[in-house]
Amino acid sequence: AQSVTQPDIHITVSEGASLELRCNYSYGATPYLFWYVQSPGQGLQLLLKYFSGDTLVQGIKGFEAEFKRSQSSFNLRKPSVHWSDAAEYFCAVGSYSGGGADGLTFGKGTHLIIQP
Amino acid sequence: GAVVSQHPSWVICKSGTSVKIECRSLDFQATTMFWYRQFPKQSLMLMATSNEGSKATYEQGVEKDKFLINHASLTLSTLTVTSAHPEDSSFYICSASNLGENNSPLHFGNGTRLTVT
Repeated sequence: AQSVTQPDIHITVSEGASLELRCNYSYGATPYLFWYVQSPGQGLQLLLKYFSGDTLVQGIKGFEAEFKRSQSSFNLRKPSVHWSDAAEYFCAVGSYSGGGADGLTFGKGTHLIIQP
Repeated sequence: GAVVSQHPSWVICKSGTSVKIECRSLDFQATTMFWYRQFPKQSLMLMATSNEGSKATYEQGVEKDKFLINHASLTLSTLTVTSAHPEDSSFYICSASNLGENNSPLHFGNGTRLTVT
């Protein structure tokens, strides 16, 4: 069974500082990996995804993530955070079978707090 | 971009009544939609996979008679919480994958906050 671990429940970062959110996964085959962001009471917005190819993936809002197979990791990074980045971040792993997507398995989320 | 719309965004109902939540893909077709449940300050848990024209597939531990799923068309799936109880209060989110896009990521609706009194 696939699983996702986000070891940091809360992270506090000063505005303008760099950010790295950790994500480790367990999956038997080549994983499809995603990062989503959720503001309070809202749905999920896709930040970026990794399916294959270049292991460094660029996303929206200045985020990037690097897939490291040897470490089973897919950490999310941003060089300089803005106050508007404060939110809940979810890492997820998925698979595709029969030509279509299967449901995602989510990590428990990391709550990002931005200090002025 | 691909848009998934959920309705209603919030609902309050009395214990024992049923509530229907709609999930629509607005600008694409989705053979498969997914329903998730999220408790406060928790992660999303997959409840069921909704397949157009066939029965839904439920995850272990999810009562299919309580959470009725209907996927009548390529753009609409509904989740009905039957005989709701306070413990069913939660945030329900649907997602859909775009048939026309290879390896499409799952696009999520904005969720429905259900409160059962």
